[in-house]
Parts: sequence; C-alpha cells; structure tokens
Amino acid sequence: DVKVTQSSRYLVKRTGEKVFLECVQDMDHENMFWYRQDPGLGLRLIYFSYDVKMKEKGDIPEGYSVSREKKERFSLILESASTNQTSMYLCASSFRSGQSYEQYFGPGTRLTVT
Amino acid sequence: AQSVSQHNHHVILSEAASLELGCNYSYGGTVNLFWYVQYPGQHLQLLLKYFSGDPLVKGIKGFEAEFIKSKFSFNLRKPSVQWSDTAEYFCAAIKLSFGAGTTVTVRA
Repeated sequence: DVKVTQSSRYLVKRTGEKVFLECVQDMDHENMFWYRQDPGLGLRLIYFSYDVKMKEKGDIPEGYSVSREKKERFSLILESASTNQTSMYLCASSFRSGQSYEQYFGPGTRLTVT
Repeated sequence: AQSVSQHNHHVILSEAASLELGCNYSYGGTVNLFWYVQYPGQHLQLLLKYFSGDPLVKGIKGFEAEFIKSKFSFNLRKPSVQWSDTAEYFCAAIKLSFGAGTTVTVRA
C-alpha cells in the first residue's frame, strides 16, 4: 500500500512565522504535489516536483516555496505566514511516466494562522 | 490552460436514489480523467480513472463514469446510493486540475 504521510495533522501558527510542512512517500514516486483545500474552491495546486531538486509552480504559488532534496520528501514552506493561508494542506505523490498519473494523498495538515 | 468544472456544489439525496455528478473539462489534447472521493475525516482516494478505451469506466463501490469526448464531460453515476456515500467528490484532469468539489449528503 502506498503511504503518504504528513508531519502534522493540526498546526497553529502566528502571523509572520515561518512554517514548514513536511511530506514523505514510500513508493518511490517521481512526482510530488502540494495542494490547499478550501470550501467551495476544491483543491488548488501550489507547487509540484517531478524529480529531486526540481519544482514547478502550480496555480497559486504566491507566499509559498518548496524544497525537494530527497526523492521521498517534499516540503512546503510559508516564509511569513498570513491569516489568508489558513487552510487544509494536502500532499500527494504519483508516478511520472506511463499512463498512471493516479495520485495518492496524505491525510492533510490543517493550518490555522492567527 | 486546462480547467475542470463541477456543476453541483451540494447534492442531497435519499437512500436508494440515483446519483449523477457532472464534470466538464476544457483541454484540447489527450485527457486523463479521475474522480476522487473524500469521506468525512479521511484521505482523498481514487474512485475511478479514464485514460483510453471503453468510455464507460467502472470504479469502486458501484460507481461508474462516462467519458463523452464531444461534450468534454466525465460524469459520475451510481444507480442507488447508500448513507455511506456521504462524502465530497472531486473530478480531476491530467495536469492536475481539480474541480471545486461536490458535497453529497445521503439521508437515511
């Protein structure tokens, strides 16, 4: 079974703090993704990575950065957290090649910025 | 740019009713299409997917979806829902666009 784990289920941070969200997958997937999920907006892609040290911006990258130093780990960084970044953050992974872009999701991190 | 739109924001049904959730995508090339489900408090998980071949795709838990290329649609169906189908359903297309989601509430 593919397993995607996220470092925290719930996180409360103050405005201006630097926030790190960690994601680890154990299936040797090339692709990893960070989304945020907000009511009425569905999932919006923040960043994705198709290989170690490679990253591409998604639909809403502003205010975020990412790091992928190892294949199994993909970190999302909020350089200076703001209240509008309060959201559920979902990490996912998938294979890159062939027909299977099926994504496997982690449990999510609910971040509250006060 | 590719986008996915879901027609319904919130659907309320009685048990044994039939379910159809609409999904349209805008993408001119080859499409890979997915329906994901998120049960309350659980991870997103794959219901079914379409890459090519038979446009009628069967997934888990009695769900199916039909790819209609001429209508750019990939609607999800289930002939008879159960209370346990209460969840949020997301349509997605390759290049990682997700629809806004449809919340389905099934009343006993």
